Amino acid sequence: EDQVTQSPEALRLQEGESSSLNCSYTVSGLRGLFWYRQDPGKGPEFLFTLYSAGEEKEKERLKATLTKKESFLHITAPKPEDSATYLCAVQARQAGTALIFGKGTTLSVSS
Amino acid sequence: DAGVIQSPRHEVTEMGQEVTLRCKPISGHNSLFWYRQTMMRGLELLIYFNNNVPIDDSGMPEDRFSAKMPNASFSTLKIQPSEPRDSAVYFCASSIVGLTKELFFGSGTQLSVL
Repeated sequence: EDQVTQSPEALRLQEGESSSLNCSYTVSGLRGLFWYRQDPGKGPEFLFTLYSAGEEKEKERLKATLTKKESFLHITAPKPEDSATYLCAVQARQAGTALIFGKGTTLSVSS
Repeated sequence: DAGVIQSPRHEVTEMGQEVTLRCKPISGHNSLFWYRQTMMRGLELLIYFNNNVPIDDSGMPEDRFSAKMPNASFSTLKIQPSEPRDSAVYFCASSIVGLTKELFFGSGTQLSVL
C-alpha cells in the first residue's frame, strides 16, 4: 500500500533557527513527490515537485531534496511568515494523477 | 484566472440532511479531485475525474456519498443523509491529466454536521 509519513508532527523554531522536515514514503513506483504549504483556513499551495533521487529544488528559504525513500524540506533562517503546515504528497504510477498526502508538519516560527 | 472555486465556504447542517458541495475547476484543467481533511486522518482522496469521467472512487466512504461532473466546469459532492462523522473540510482540486503536474486546490468547504 502506498504510504506517506511526515515527521515531526509539529515543530517550533525561533526566527533564524534552521531545521528540516522529513517525509518518508512507500510507493509502487514514484512518479513525483510534491511539497505543499497550507495556511489556516486555506487550501494547500504548491511549493515543489521532485522526480528522481538526488534532485533538489529551492525557493527563498526553502530547499527540498529527494532520496529513494524520503524527502527533506530544509528551512534556512526561517521567519514568522514561514509558519504554516507543510504537506508532502506522492504520485504513484499506478494511481494515475491522484496524489497521496502525508498528515503534515505544523511549523511555528516565533520572533 | 480565479483559481478553483468552491461553494459554500461554510455549511452547518443537522444530521440526516442532504448536503451538496460545489466546485468549479480552473479553465483548461481536465482532472478534478475531491479530498477530505480531518485532524485525525489528514487529506484523504475521495474521488477523481479525468475528462468528466470518474476514474477512482475507492476513497468514497460509503453509499451516502456521491459525486458528479456533468461538464468540464462543474462538479458536485453530495452527502445524503449526512452524519456528524462527516464533519470535515472538503477540498476540490484540479490539474491536467496525463502529466506529473501539481494540483491546484480551492479554499475548501468547512462542513459541520450537528
